[in-house]
Amino acid sequence: AQSVTQLDSQVPVFEEAPVELRCNYSSSVSVYLFWYVQYPNQGLQLLLKYLSGSTLVKGINGFEAEFNKSQTSFHLRKPSVHISDTAEYFCAVIRYNFNKFYFGSGTKLNVKP
Amino acid sequence: EAGVTQFPSHSVIEKGQTVTLRCDPISGHDNLYWYRRVMGKEIKFLLHFVKESKQDESGMPNNRFLAERTGGTYSTLKVQPAELEDSGVYFCASSQDQGPLYEQYFGPGTRLTVT
Repeated sequence: AQSVTQLDSQVPVFEEAPVELRCNYSSSVSVYLFWYVQYPNQGLQLLLKYLSGSTLVKGINGFEAEFNKSQTSFHLRKPSVHISDTAEYFCAVIRYNFNKFYFGSGTKLNVKP
Repeated sequence: EAGVTQFPSHSVIEKGQTVTLRCDPISGHDNLYWYRRVMGKEIKFLLHFVKESKQDESGMPNNRFLAERTGGTYSTLKVQPAELEDSGVYFCASSQDQGPLYEQYFGPGTRLTVT
């Protein structure tokens, strides 16, 4: 079975500060890893994904994530956040050759001026 | 190009009533998924359609939930009779083809409140 743990339910941060949103996963098989973002009153939007290759993945809006197989982690980072980054972020995994996501419980990023 | 749309955006019903949620996928997307988020917890998979066929319905919680996709276009998810624990946000997603290499595009969700 697969499970995804997002260690922080809420992360407050000041504008222009760096941020890291943590994600750990548990799986007995190989998985692909994703981060989605949900802005208020909108659907989930793909931020970035790790399928293979370089363990450092760059996504939209200046976000990046690093896949660490030994620690089964896929933490999301941004060096300098903006007010517009205020949203809820979801980490998710999909097994190879499968179609359904396993999501974490989400992390609300609150960027303060 | 229009994204995935869901209707209604909010629904408040009483326990025991019936509610039908609708999802319109992106045009041309054969794959349609339903997910649910209950009480701020994780988003959980409900089922997956390929055209009008149910490919995987392993996440459907019980037989009070009925999903259909007649004609392989829009989909409906009916809850009958609704229970308090059915409250949550129901997301629909669609993708062009199967597999994790094909992005799933999500709709804004329907917030269901059962009182």
